Order: sequence, then C-alpha cells, then structure tokens
Amino acid sequence: AQSVTQLDSQVPVFEEAPVELRCNYSSSVSVYLFWYVQYPNQGLQLLLKYLSGSTLVESINGFEAEFNKSQTSFHLRKPSVHISDTAEYFCAVSGANAGGTSYGKLTFGQGTILTVHP
Amino acid sequence: DVKVTQSSRYLVKRTGEKVFLECVQDMDHENMFWYRQDPGLGLRLIYFSYDVKMKEKGDIPEGYSVSREKKERFSLILESASTNQTSMYLCASSLQGAKGYTFGSGTRLTVV
Repeated sequence: AQSVTQLDSQVPVFEEAPVELRCNYSSSVSVYLFWYVQYPNQGLQLLLKYLSGSTLVESINGFEAEFNKSQTSFHLRKPSVHISDTAEYFCAVSGANAGGTSYGKLTFGQGTILTVHP
Repeated sequence: DVKVTQSSRYLVKRTGEKVFLECVQDMDHENMFWYRQDPGLGLRLIYFSYDVKMKEKGDIPEGYSVSREKKERFSLILESASTNQTSMYLCASSLQGAKGYTFGSGTRLTVV
C-alpha cells in the first residue's frame, strides 16, 4: 500500500520570498512522484514529475522538487514566489512497475494551500 | 491536448436520488479514474477502469458504482445519494499508467 503525507495544510508567504512545500511518501515498490497544482475553481494540472533519472526535476514556472529515496521525500521548492502562485498543491505517488497492483493509480496527499501575500 | 470533459460543473440533488456523473475523454486512453476531493483529505480514488467493461474498486467505493460501455466514456453512479456524498468529483484519464494523467474540471455535487 502507498501513502502520502503533506506536512503543512497551509503555507502563507510574502511575495518574492522562498517557499518549500513538504511531502513524504511510503511505498513497498519503486515509485513515480508528482506534484499537481489546483488554482481556484479549476481542475488539477500537472506541475512536475519524477519518473527516473535525475532526482531534481523542474517545472516551467520556476518550481523544483528533489526525490530523496533515503528520506522518502519529494519536497517542492521555489526561490521567489509570485501572487499568481496562490493555489492548492498536491503531492502524489504511483507504483512504477507495470502490471503491479498499484500501477496507474495515483495516491494523493491531503493538499497544501499556498497563499502569497503582497 | 487531451481533453477530459465532465458534463456538469455544479449539481444539486436530493437525498435518495440516483445520480449520474459523466466523463468523456477524446484521446483513446485505456485508463480512466474517478476521485472525490474533500478539504483536508486530498483526492481519494473511488473507482477506476483500465479497459471497456472493466472496473476495479479504489479506496472508497462504498455507495458508488461505475459504468464503462465505451472507451471514451466513464460514468460514476450514486445509487441513492446521501448528504455525505456532497463533494467535488474529479475524473481523469491516462495512457501510460500514472505517467500522464489528465483531469477534468470537476463536478461539485451537493446533496440536500
């Protein structure tokens, strides 16, 4: 079984400050890891993903996340946030083995609401 | 781009009604999923389907059923709606397991 824990339910920050949204997971199999973003009154959009290779992955709008296998973490960071980054962020995990019982199913964390203040 | 369309953005239904939530995707994806989203709980998987007429229970299937008669359409059915099923329902589809999910915009269901 897989599980995801997002350690902060709400993170308020000021514009241009750095931010880290924390995510820890547990799984008995190899994993794929994801961060999704949900802007107010919209569906979920993929922000970035780790499938294999480099443990540091980046999004087009300045976010990055690092897969740390020993600490089973996938924290999301941005060095300088904008008002437009205000949204709810979800960390998710999926089993990486085709045909396994967890293959294709995403397990989500509880979500972190990031609020950027001017 | 893949498009996942959920037929209703908002729905209000009465307790005991049978409710159908429809989801259609336009890119021939094998896998389709229904999640519900509740504050503080994130998204929880209700049912998923990896082929036509195939379905598997997710983590919270009680009180729900699904139908997938055609590859592009995946319906979620609330047999007898209850107030604790008031929630945001999100449909998703994917081609290669979890590597590339596309979500619909969601249906906000209120059961009164």
